[in-house]
Amino acid sequence: NSKVIQTPRYLVKGQGQKAKMRCIPEKGHPVVFWYQQNKNNEFKFLINFQNQEVLQQIDMTEKRFSAECPSNSPCSLEIQSSEAGDSALYLCASSPGGEQYFGPGTRLTVL
Amino acid sequence: GDSVTQKEGLVTLTEGLPVMLNCTYQTIYSNAFLFWYVHYLNESPRLLLKSSTDNKRTEHQGFHATLHKSSSSFHLQKSSAQLSDSALYYCALSEVISNYNVLYFGSGTKLTVEP
Repeated sequence: NSKVIQTPRYLVKGQGQKAKMRCIPEKGHPVVFWYQQNKNNEFKFLINFQNQEVLQQIDMTEKRFSAECPSNSPCSLEIQSSEAGDSALYLCASSPGGEQYFGPGTRLTVL
Repeated sequence: GDSVTQKEGLVTLTEGLPVMLNCTYQTIYSNAFLFWYVHYLNESPRLLLKSSTDNKRTEHQGFHATLHKSSSSFHLQKSSAQLSDSALYYCALSEVISNYNVLYFGSGTKLTVEP
């Protein structure tokens, strides 16, 4: 069973507001991924880190999201100015190198 | 680019009947890994099966799948569906198995098993 912790489980924001969610990866997993699962259940990769360094990210994330994985602190993903289309389940996954283990997600609703 | 196709969005079965969920993929990488994840409501998606070996059957918790590179397929099967199998099932691909392999997911198949 996955030991990835995500908080909060639910987040409600107004358009234009910042939305921040956190992820504690499994102990010993150096790689962290963020995915967005939309209302059609489709997954979209957003960004990944190895230790504190960004490995890959998509354009949208680079422009509108702020993400970090500081040492000895939870990883975080923050939408700088929420839009209605950002309403989705945000899933964090950690990896020891290979398989990915997912948390339960933060469900963001942008009103 | 890489892609995964799950043609069936919804599958409804009667308990006890066999399960087959289709997955086909496209990639230029000959050593790509294929995965099946199961996602129960309000829980974390959980890895069910994985494979990168051509024509080798892989099994876990009653489910099995065989990667066929010739047809780019990795169909999920189970001989007898149980009510507890009702969930979303995702097929996913990673180009290589490494520290930072991004997963490319199919659109998922919602399996409903009825009494």
